Amino acid sequence: AQSVTQLDSQVPVFEEAPVELRCNYSSSVSVYLFWYVQYPNQGLQLLLKYLSGSTLVESINGFEAEFNKSQTSFHLRKPSVHISDTAEYFCAVTNTGFQKLVFGTGTRLLVSP
Amino acid sequence: EAGVTQFPSHSVIEKGQTVTLRCDPISGHDNLYWYRRVMGKEIKFLLHFVKESKQDESGMPNNRFLAERTGGTYSTLKVQPAELEDSGVYFCASSQGGGRGGTEAFFGQGTRLTVV
Repeated sequence: AQSVTQLDSQVPVFEEAPVELRCNYSSSVSVYLFWYVQYPNQGLQLLLKYLSGSTLVESINGFEAEFNKSQTSFHLRKPSVHISDTAEYFCAVTNTGFQKLVFGTGTRLLVSP
Repeated sequence: EAGVTQFPSHSVIEKGQTVTLRCDPISGHDNLYWYRRVMGKEIKFLLHFVKESKQDESGMPNNRFLAERTGGTYSTLKVQPAELEDSGVYFCASSQGGGRGGTEAFFGQGTRLTVV
């Protein structure tokens, strides 16, 4: 069975500050990893994904995540956040057969001026 | 191209009533998934269709939930009779590919169900 742990339920941060949202997973098989974002009153959107290759993956809006197999982590980082990054972020894992996604409990990022 | 659409966006029903949620996946996507988020907890898998067949329904909570995907296009999720603990946000997602589940899953905006 797979599981995902997002220890931080809420992360408050000031605009232009760096942020890291933590994600750890557990799996007995090889996995693919994802970060989804849900902006207020919207659905889930894929932010970035790790399937294979380079362990550092980037999104178009400045977020990045690094797959660390030894630490079973896939933390999400951004060097300078904007007000518009305020949203809930979900880490998810699936096996390499692309079956069901297993999600963490989500981290609410609150960016204030 | 239209994304995954879900109807209704909100539904408030009384305990014991029946509710049917609908999901229209992206055209051509064989894989369709239902997920649910209850009271700010994690988003949990309910079931997975490949075309019109149920590939995995291990997440369905009980027999009050019935999912169908006639013709391999849109899907419905019926809750009958609804209980208080069924309240939450129901997400639908779809992806391309064959029976193994495809690749990136695209999600709808969700249906917020409130049972009172």
